[in-house]
Amino acid sequence: GENVEQHPSTLSVQEGDSAVIKCTYSDSASNYFPWYKQELGKGPQLIIDIRSNVGEKKDQRIAVTLNKTAKHFSLHITETQPEDSAVYFCAASSGRDDKIIFGKGTRLHILP
Amino acid sequence: ETGVTQTPRHLVMGMTNKKSLKCEQHLGHNAMYWYKQSAKKPLELMFVYNFKEQTENNSVPSRFSPECPNSSHLFLHLHTLQPEDSALYLCASSQAGTGVAEAFFGQGTRLTVV
Repeated sequence: GENVEQHPSTLSVQEGDSAVIKCTYSDSASNYFPWYKQELGKGPQLIIDIRSNVGEKKDQRIAVTLNKTAKHFSLHITETQPEDSAVYFCAASSGRDDKIIFGKGTRLHILP
Repeated sequence: ETGVTQTPRHLVMGMTNKKSLKCEQHLGHNAMYWYKQSAKKPLELMFVYNFKEQTENNSVPSRFSPECPNSSHLFLHLHTLQPEDSALYLCASSQAGTGVAEAFFGQGTRLTVV
Protein backbone atom coordinates (compact mmCIF):
# COMPACT_ATOMS: atom_id res chain seq x y z
CA GLY A 1 0.00 0.00 0.00
CA GLU A 2 0.88 3.67 -0.14
CA ASN A 3 3.37 5.14 2.31
CA VAL A 4 3.86 8.88 2.72
CA GLU A 5 6.91 10.33 4.46
CA GLN A 6 6.95 13.96 5.57
CA HIS A 7 9.81 16.19 6.72
CA PRO A 8 10.56 18.04 8.88
CA SER A 9 8.37 17.17 11.83
CA THR A 10 8.86 20.65 13.29
CA LEU A 11 9.78 23.87 11.52
CA SER A 12 10.34 27.35 12.93
CA VAL A 13 10.70 30.34 10.61
CA GLN A 14 10.88 34.06 11.15
CA GLU A 15 7.76 35.98 10.20
CA GLY A 16 8.09 37.12 6.61
CA ASP A 17 10.45 34.31 5.62
CA SER A 18 9.51 31.27 3.53
CA ALA A 19 8.70 27.78 4.78
CA VAL A 20 9.14 24.56 2.83
CA ILE A 21 7.74 21.16 3.76
CA LYS A 22 8.68 18.05 1.78
CA CYS A 23 6.95 14.71 1.25
CA THR A 24 7.69 11.51 -0.59
CA TYR A 25 5.30 8.75 -1.60
CA SER A 26 5.77 5.14 -2.61
CA ASP A 27 2.85 4.18 -4.85
CA SER A 28 3.44 5.23 -8.46
CA ALA A 29 -0.31 4.95 -9.05
CA SER A 30 -0.99 7.89 -6.73
CA ASN A 31 -2.31 10.79 -8.75
CA TYR A 32 -3.77 13.27 -6.27
CA PHE A 33 -1.79 15.11 -3.60
CA PRO A 34 -3.65 17.36 -1.16
CA TRP A 35 -2.19 19.45 1.62
CA TYR A 36 -4.11 20.05 4.83
CA LYS A 37 -3.70 22.60 7.60
CA GLN A 38 -4.82 21.76 11.10
CA GLU A 39 -5.23 24.49 13.67
CA LEU A 40 -5.59 23.83 17.36
CA GLY A 41 -8.94 22.31 18.25
CA LYS A 42 -10.00 21.85 14.65
CA GLY A 43 -9.98 19.11 12.06
CA PRO A 44 -7.62 19.28 9.06
CA GLN A 45 -8.71 21.61 6.27
CA LEU A 46 -7.62 21.44 2.65
CA ILE A 47 -5.44 24.39 1.64
CA ILE A 48 -4.14 23.33 -1.77
CA ASP A 49 -3.95 20.22 -3.90
CA ILE A 50 -2.24 19.06 -7.07
CA ARG A 51 -2.90 16.32 -9.58
CA SER A 52 -0.26 14.20 -11.23
CA ASN A 53 -0.67 15.85 -14.63
CA VAL A 54 0.60 19.17 -13.23
CA GLY A 55 4.08 20.01 -11.95
CA GLU A 56 3.28 23.14 -9.96
CA LYS A 57 0.29 25.00 -8.61
CA LYS A 58 0.11 28.32 -6.83
CA ASP A 59 -2.52 30.07 -4.76
CA GLN A 60 -1.45 33.45 -3.42
CA ARG A 61 1.31 32.77 -0.85
CA ILE A 62 1.04 28.99 -1.09
CA ALA A 63 2.51 26.81 -3.82
CA VAL A 64 2.95 23.10 -4.30
CA THR A 65 5.40 21.32 -6.59
CA LEU A 66 5.31 17.71 -7.75
CA ASN A 67 8.08 15.55 -9.15
CA LYS A 68 6.48 12.32 -10.33
CA THR A 69 9.74 10.72 -11.37
CA ALA A 70 11.25 11.14 -7.94
CA LYS A 71 7.90 10.63 -6.20
CA HIS A 72 8.16 13.72 -4.08
CA PHE A 73 6.12 16.87 -3.61
CA SER A 74 6.59 20.01 -1.57
CA LEU A 75 4.60 22.83 0.00
CA HIS A 76 6.01 26.34 -0.14
CA ILE A 77 4.64 29.19 1.96
CA THR A 78 6.07 32.63 1.23
CA GLU A 79 5.89 35.81 3.35
CA THR A 80 4.82 33.78 6.37
CA GLN A 81 2.43 35.33 8.86
CA PRO A 82 1.53 34.42 12.47
CA GLU A 83 -1.72 32.82 11.33
CA ASP A 84 0.31 30.32 9.30
CA SER A 85 1.31 28.63 12.57
CA ALA A 86 -0.37 25.21 12.53
CA VAL A 87 0.25 21.55 11.73
CA TYR A 88 0.47 20.78 8.02
CA PHE A 89 -0.18 17.36 6.51
CA CYS A 90 0.65 16.12 3.06
CA ALA A 91 -1.30 13.23 1.61
CA ALA A 92 -1.47 11.00 -1.43
CA SER A 93 -4.34 9.20 -3.09
CA SER A 94 -4.86 7.02 -6.14
CA GLY A 95 -8.00 6.80 -8.23
CA ARG A 96 -8.37 3.11 -7.46
CA ASP A 97 -9.94 3.32 -4.03
CA ASP A 98 -10.09 7.01 -3.06
CA LYS A 99 -8.18 6.32 0.15
CA ILE A 100 -6.13 9.24 1.38
CA ILE A 101 -2.88 8.35 3.12
CA PHE A 102 -1.38 11.10 5.23
CA GLY A 103 2.13 11.99 6.24
CA LYS A 104 2.87 12.42 9.94
CA GLY A 105 2.57 16.17 9.86
CA THR A 106 4.82 19.20 10.27
CA ARG A 107 4.31 21.61 13.14
CA LEU A 108 5.08 25.07 11.75
CA HIS A 109 5.94 27.88 14.17
CA ILE A 110 6.09 31.44 12.86
CA LEU A 111 8.39 33.46 15.09
CA PRO A 112 7.69 37.17 15.67
CA GLU B 1 -18.06 24.92 9.14
CA THR B 2 -16.88 22.15 6.86
CA GLY B 3 -20.24 20.42 6.45
CA VAL B 4 -19.12 17.53 8.65
CA THR B 5 -20.37 17.54 12.24
CA GLN B 6 -19.06 15.30 14.99
CA THR B 7 -20.54 14.74 18.42
CA PRO B 8 -19.59 14.80 21.17
CA ARG B 9 -16.56 17.08 20.98
CA HIS B 10 -15.11 15.63 24.17
CA LEU B 11 -15.67 12.26 25.83
CA VAL B 12 -14.22 10.69 28.95
CA MET B 13 -15.02 7.05 29.50
CA GLY B 14 -13.95 4.22 31.73
CA MET B 15 -12.53 1.01 30.35
CA THR B 16 -15.76 -0.88 31.02
CA ASN B 17 -18.07 1.70 29.45
CA LYS B 18 -19.85 1.57 26.11
CA LYS B 19 -20.17 4.78 24.16
CA SER B 20 -20.69 5.90 20.57
CA LEU B 21 -19.26 8.67 18.44
CA LYS B 22 -21.47 10.24 15.82
CA CYS B 23 -20.64 11.89 12.52
CA GLU B 24 -23.03 13.56 10.09
CA GLN B 25 -22.18 15.11 6.72
CA HIS B 26 -24.34 17.59 4.80
CA LEU B 27 -22.29 17.59 1.61
CA GLY B 28 -24.01 14.86 -0.35
CA HIS B 29 -20.86 12.74 -0.34
CA ASN B 30 -20.92 8.98 -0.79
CA ALA B 31 -17.86 8.00 1.23
CA MET B 32 -17.12 8.44 4.92
CA TYR B 33 -14.03 7.72 6.97
CA TRP B 34 -12.87 7.34 10.55
CA TYR B 35 -9.34 8.46 11.39
CA LYS B 36 -7.48 8.24 14.68
CA GLN B 37 -5.05 11.03 15.51
CA SER B 38 -2.67 10.56 18.41
CA ALA B 39 0.68 12.00 19.36
CA LYS B 40 2.48 8.83 18.34
CA LYS B 41 0.76 8.05 15.03
CA PRO B 42 -1.06 11.03 13.59
CA LEU B 43 -3.98 10.49 11.21
CA GLU B 44 -4.30 6.72 11.02
CA LEU B 45 -7.05 5.58 8.67
CA MET B 46 -9.35 3.20 10.58
CA PHE B 47 -12.41 2.55 8.44
CA VAL B 48 -13.73 3.51 5.03
CA TYR B 49 -17.37 3.34 3.98
CA ASN B 50 -18.18 3.72 0.31
CA PHE B 51 -21.88 3.86 -0.59
CA LYS B 52 -22.66 2.59 2.95
CA GLU B 53 -20.49 -0.51 2.46
CA GLN B 54 -17.36 -0.95 4.51
CA THR B 55 -14.45 -1.15 2.11
CA GLU B 56 -11.55 -0.79 4.49
CA ASN B 57 -10.70 -1.98 7.97
CA ASN B 58 -7.07 -1.28 8.75
CA SER B 59 -6.59 -4.02 11.33
CA VAL B 60 -8.58 -2.08 13.88
CA PRO B 61 -9.31 -3.97 17.14
CA SER B 62 -12.84 -5.27 17.53
CA ARG B 63 -13.46 -2.97 20.50
CA PHE B 64 -14.08 -0.35 17.78
CA SER B 65 -17.22 -1.10 15.80
CA PRO B 66 -18.30 1.20 12.96
CA GLU B 67 -21.82 1.60 11.66
CA CYS B 68 -22.99 3.43 8.56
CA PRO B 69 -26.80 3.39 8.37
CA ASN B 70 -26.88 5.74 5.36
CA SER B 71 -24.47 7.82 3.34
CA SER B 72 -24.89 10.85 5.62
CA HIS B 73 -24.30 9.25 9.00
CA LEU B 74 -21.42 7.34 10.49
CA PHE B 75 -21.02 5.98 14.00
CA LEU B 76 -18.13 4.51 15.92
CA HIS B 77 -19.25 2.27 18.77
CA LEU B 78 -16.72 1.88 21.56
CA HIS B 79 -16.55 -0.79 24.25
CA THR B 80 -13.93 -2.03 26.71
CA LEU B 81 -11.37 0.46 25.47
CA GLN B 82 -7.80 0.77 26.73
CA PRO B 83 -5.99 3.92 27.90
CA GLU B 84 -3.86 3.82 24.73
CA ASP B 85 -7.07 4.36 22.74
CA SER B 86 -7.18 7.93 24.03
CA ALA B 87 -6.86 10.15 20.97
CA LEU B 88 -8.65 12.56 18.68
CA TYR B 89 -11.09 10.68 16.45
CA LEU B 90 -11.78 12.42 13.17
CA CYS B 91 -14.55 11.75 10.72
CA ALA B 92 -14.25 12.77 7.09
CA SER B 93 -16.32 12.52 3.94
CA SER B 94 -15.57 12.71 0.24
CA GLN B 95 -17.11 12.05 -3.15
CA ALA B 96 -15.63 8.69 -4.07
CA GLY B 97 -15.17 7.54 -7.63
CA THR B 98 -14.16 10.94 -9.00
CA GLY B 99 -10.41 10.40 -8.77
CA VAL B 100 -10.14 13.56 -6.71
CA ALA B 101 -10.54 12.38 -3.16
CA GLU B 102 -10.75 15.75 -1.40
CA ALA B 103 -11.78 14.94 2.13
CA PHE B 104 -13.70 17.24 4.42
CA PHE B 105 -13.07 16.71 8.10
CA GLY B 106 -15.16 17.28 11.17
CA GLN B 107 -13.66 18.91 14.23
CA GLY B 108 -13.12 15.58 15.92
CA THR B 109 -14.00 13.95 19.22
CA ARG B 110 -11.32 14.13 21.88
CA LEU B 111 -11.57 10.77 23.65
CA THR B 112 -9.96 10.07 27.00
CA VAL B 113 -10.07 6.54 28.41
CA VAL B 114 -9.51 6.34 32.15
